[in-house]
Amino acid sequence: QVQLVESGGGVVQPGRSLRLSCAASGFTFSNYGMHWVRQAPGKGLEWVALISYDGSNKNYADSVKGRFTISRDDSKNTLDLQMSSLRAEDTAVYYCVKDIGYKSNWYGGQYWGQGTLVTVSS
Amino acid sequence: DIQMTQSPSSLSASVGDRVTITCRASQGIRNSLAWYQQKPGKVPKLLIYAASTLQSGVPSRFSGTGFGTDFTLTISSLQPEDIATYYCQKYDSGPFTFGPGTKVDIK
Repeated sequence: QVQLVESGGGVVQPGRSLRLSCAASGFTFSNYGMHWVRQAPGKGLEWVALISYDGSNKNYADSVKGRFTISRDDSKNTLDLQMSSLRAEDTAVYYCVKDIGYKSNWYGGQYWGQGTLVTVSS
Repeated sequence: DIQMTQSPSSLSASVGDRVTITCRASQGIRNSLAWYQQKPGKVPKLLIYAASTLQSGVPSRFSGTGFGTDFTLTISSLQPEDIATYYCQKYDSGPFTFGPGTKVDIK
């Protein structure tokens, strides 16, 4: 069965950096695009970033562009999100999401991890 | 960037009612739209993709229609377990923006 397990969340001061990781299993990781989606406490879903199955295509929400970097390591079946210059408004649960689309196709988030909470506060 | 809106923002309906939620894109996105259900305290669940394709295992009372800029999610007969917030998401090209959500509860 598909499993996505996020790690790396915690409390961080504004302006600092944090790296989130997602360990994927139960599917051929290298065949699927992946996303990070976040949800601030009591708020709606916000798409953060995507990376294509082969890592050649990356895209970011305007709110994180230039501060966050998405990457993948197919040899370890891991997805990462490097977050820098963190702000209070980045406080959220961050979900690792597998797209349902095979290879270069995008169709939506089929499997979601349980999320990891990032709190940006002094 | 293309903006996504949803209406209504919330609704109350009786068990057995037909419920319709609308999602609108500020520009055409073909049929590149997904719908999700998020129950309180739970992870979002994919209901529909490609505007009208029901994800495996999703009850047939859920259906989606639309193309271009206007889309609908319909629950043909509302059940107590359908209490949730529903989100649409575009995926024609980045950014893959979500709508603001529609909260559904039982009257």
